[in-house]
Amino acid sequence: DIVMTQSPLSLPVTPGEPASISCRSSQSLLYSDGNNYLDWFLQKPGQPPQLLIYLASNRASGVPDRFSGSGSGTNFTLKITRVEAEDVGVYYCMQGLQTWTFGQGTKVEIK
Amino acid sequence: EVQLAQSGGGLVQPGGSLRLSCAASRFNFNNFWMNWVRQSPGKGLVWVSRISHDGKVTDYADSVEGRFSISRDNTENTLYLQMNSLRVEDTAVYYCATESADVWGRGTLVIVSS
Repeated sequence: DIVMTQSPLSLPVTPGEPASISCRSSQSLLYSDGNNYLDWFLQKPGQPPQLLIYLASNRASGVPDRFSGSGSGTNFTLKITRVEAEDVGVYYCMQGLQTWTFGQGTKVEIK
Repeated sequence: EVQLAQSGGGLVQPGGSLRLSCAASRFNFNNFWMNWVRQSPGKGLVWVSRISHDGKVTDYADSVEGRFSISRDNTENTLYLQMNSLRVEDTAVYYCATESADVWGRGTLVIVSS
């Protein structure tokens, strides 16, 4: 199985400031079709995960443009340009190259 | 609005069985692979099982192999997870999700306890 490792696991943020989460995979997620099979989710308390970014860098429908994803191979990053209060929750990366595996989650909270 | 409506959770004793359902609406259900993911209380997301669009291919996490069975009825636009020989460690919220992970059910809680 592909192991996904996120850092940090806890991220206190100040509204209006940027934030960044890292995700590493134990194997390359770059497929022969040129896509990196890495997604990012936000899960708010009591809710299912919400897809933010798919194929490493594509924003899902309705996701604000303050969210962006980058990276290739085994190293990926989710960035929020200016954190808003509604962005608190747990962020997960997930690989979709094989049967899904998720990172441990990064809890984002307001300072 | 594209939707996955889940049902079938509850409290069951160790060794018991439950069947979860996930009813799809407003998208071409029979064109997509589907997944089950679970989340134990206070823990992260763990993939459980997936099924091909036609039901011919299934995969399972090692932790549920031989105990859980995924299936689908494309005439009823419904996905199922039959859970047998349940263990305390199967206690979790179970989510169904599309292959593209852009649509998720709201989750159903399964509690395995004596």
